[in-house]
Amino acid sequence: KAGVTQTPRYLIKTRGQQVTLSCSPISGHRSVSWYQQTPGQGLQFLFEYFSETQRNKGNFPGRFSGRQFSNSRSEMNVSTLELGDSALYLCASSLGAAGDSAEAFFGQGTRLTVV
Amino acid sequence: AQSVTQLGSHVSVSEGALVLLRCNYSSSVPPYLFWYVQYPNQGLQLLLKYTSAATLVKGINGFEAEFKKSETSFHLTKPSAHMSDAAEYFCAVRPMDSSYKLIFGSGTRLLVRP
Repeated sequence: KAGVTQTPRYLIKTRGQQVTLSCSPISGHRSVSWYQQTPGQGLQFLFEYFSETQRNKGNFPGRFSGRQFSNSRSEMNVSTLELGDSALYLCASSLGAAGDSAEAFFGQGTRLTVV
Repeated sequence: AQSVTQLGSHVSVSEGALVLLRCNYSSSVPPYLFWYVQYPNQGLQLLLKYTSAATLVKGINGFEAEFKKSETSFHLTKPSAHMSDAAEYFCAVRPMDSSYKLIFGSGTRLLVRP
């Protein structure tokens, strides 16, 4: 069974640009969550999508957005990049049924560097 | 709001020694609890999870954790450390509702001395 696939693995962007990251969840999983990992702030929840709807959102500015497609694949977009957006962005996939105890499976991450 | 505290940003043990990584959560209702491990330049790998079925949970690679409601703790242990256990370990909680939001601790880097 294929795991969670994130593309690309590495990205270098310039301040002010925008970027789109992609995540393909495990087959059959309907929930996709995104996390930002930085040395200073640790792992922080960005948002979660389930059946193409945003079900939960973290405390990030509106420059951070996402979407989920009918095949459960998800993308996140960051507009007007700032140096502080440099981070490892992790995608997590879960079955997603309400209230279940299923764990989240993580991808390898996309390392974004903003210069 | 729920939170997770991991005591000790760095823990150093000798190979073969007991590993103990501490995790405390703040919640009036016990949440789901998880331990993840992260190797350099990798994503997170699940070690084990607590879902209220049993207080002592066994995971992969010889790790286990005990849920103690009275202490709001979920400490991770391994009887004998291997060099390959050197990594960063994260404790995480998730409310027992429909939310799939994980709240992570700040992580503990485990160093294993030969």
